[in-house]
Amino acid sequence: NSKVIQTPRYLVKGQGQKAKMRCIPEKGHPVVFWYQQNKNNEFKFLINFQNQEVLQQIDMTEKRFSAECPSNSPCSLEIQSSEAGDSALYLCASSPNANSDYTFGSGTRLLVI
Amino acid sequence: AQSVTQPDARVTVSEGASLQLRCKYSYFGTPYLFWYVQYPRQGLQLLLKYYPGDPVVQGVNGFEAEFSKSNSSFHLRKASVHWSDWAVYFCAVFNTGNYKYVFGAGTRLKVIA
Repeated sequence: NSKVIQTPRYLVKGQGQKAKMRCIPEKGHPVVFWYQQNKNNEFKFLINFQNQEVLQQIDMTEKRFSAECPSNSPCSLEIQSSEAGDSALYLCASSPNANSDYTFGSGTRLLVI
Repeated sequence: AQSVTQPDARVTVSEGASLQLRCKYSYFGTPYLFWYVQYPRQGLQLLLKYYPGDPVVQGVNGFEAEFSKSNSSFHLRKASVHWSDWAVYFCAVFNTGNYKYVFGAGTRLKVIA
């Protein structure tokens, strides 16, 4: 069982709807990553945090996604207006520091219909 | 640019047979290398990791991998495959400059009786 908890496991949304997923990082891990894994097993880095601060994010994330990692609350990733191409497995990973290996969660599988 | 190539998209082995999954990487500098396994409808689970040191690293469930700088390879091996090893295996290099993983395309392992 992963120490990184992601909810929900499955998410089905219509195009244009908001889609929100959450991640509880492993205890004591201030660094959190989000990756998108598409049906072709291609991984796309979305955003990462250290404590509550964004370290890096890609352009797509900046424009269409809303993400945060508040203190004492789960991290979240929200797509403001879902598109069919957003259908994928969203993986959250956490680490004790940015340069260390990461623990991945089980993912949230999003289907946009 | 960093890249990871897994030349075999699919591998089929008999239960009890030995296994090698190939991974070639391209990375400027000293790589941090990983093998992850993904079971159906699951996230990524770490099998083993290479940090500069002993080129042969041991992982969970009898897996091991050997780093070769001259061949730019990090092949995964197992002496005797079990049916429960049926999964997708990803090789990855961690870029310590931008704190991101670069994943290979994955190798789908099928175990037959």
